[in-house]
Amino acid sequence: DTGVSQDPRHKITKRGQNVTFRCDPISEHNRLYWYRQTLGQGPEFLTYFQNEAQLEKSRLLSDRFSAERPKGSFSTLEIQRTEQGDSAMYLCASSSGQAPSGNTIYFGEGSWLTVV
Amino acid sequence: GQNIDQPTEMTATEGAIVQINCTYQTSGFNGLFWYQQHAGEAPTFLSYNVLDGLEEKGRFSSFLSRSKGYSYLLLKELQMKDSASYLCAVSKVTGGGNKLTFGTGTQLKVEL
Repeated sequence: DTGVSQDPRHKITKRGQNVTFRCDPISEHNRLYWYRQTLGQGPEFLTYFQNEAQLEKSRLLSDRFSAERPKGSFSTLEIQRTEQGDSAMYLCASSSGQAPSGNTIYFGEGSWLTVV
Repeated sequence: GQNIDQPTEMTATEGAIVQINCTYQTSGFNGLFWYQQHAGEAPTFLSYNVLDGLEEKGRFSSFLSRSKGYSYLLLKELQMKDSASYLCAVSKVTGGGNKLTFGTGTQLKVEL
C-alpha cells in the first residue's frame, strides 16, 4: 500500500495558462475525492468519483475546472485559464468503501499551485 | 448546510494533556473525523467516530456526542512534534461515498 500519490507536487504558472494535476489513489480504493485548501483554512470539497463516475461536484468547481477518472483508477484535475485566486493546495484523497474502515478518507501529499 | 466550530489556537506544555473541542451543526451526519496537519503537508488521518463515546488510539483519543453535536480530540503526553493544526471534519453521505466538511483547524503549539 503506497498511499495516495499526487503529481506534480509544486506548480508555478502564469495567469491564463492551463494546468493539470494527476492523482493515483490507494490501490483498490474505488472512491476518489478532490479538495482545495488555502492558507489558514480547512480543505474544501471539490468533487467525488466512485470508480469512473463523477457523482458530485461542488459549486466551487467553476466551468474552468474539470476532473476525470477515465478507467476508475487515476484521476486528473485540469484548471483552464488560471487566475490568481486559483492559487492553493489541491488535495486528492481516496477511500475503499469496504467494511470495516471503508469510510476512512486518506489524503495525498497535495499539489501546490501558484499563479503569478 | 454545515457549520463546524473549533478554537483557532491553543498552547500546551510538553508532557501535558490537551483537549481540542469541536462543535457542529449538520444534516445527514455520517461520522466525524480528526486529522493532523503539519505546515505545508497534507492532512494525516487520526480518528473516525460514528457512534457516541470515546475511541482511544495510543496517545490520542476522540470523543463524540451526536445529540450535542460535539466532539473532542484528547492528546496525552504531549511531544514537540505534536505541534500542528488539528482539523475536525464532519462526514455526510453523498452518492454512495462520504463528503467531508472541515473546520478551519486548531493550531496547537507545544512548548517546553
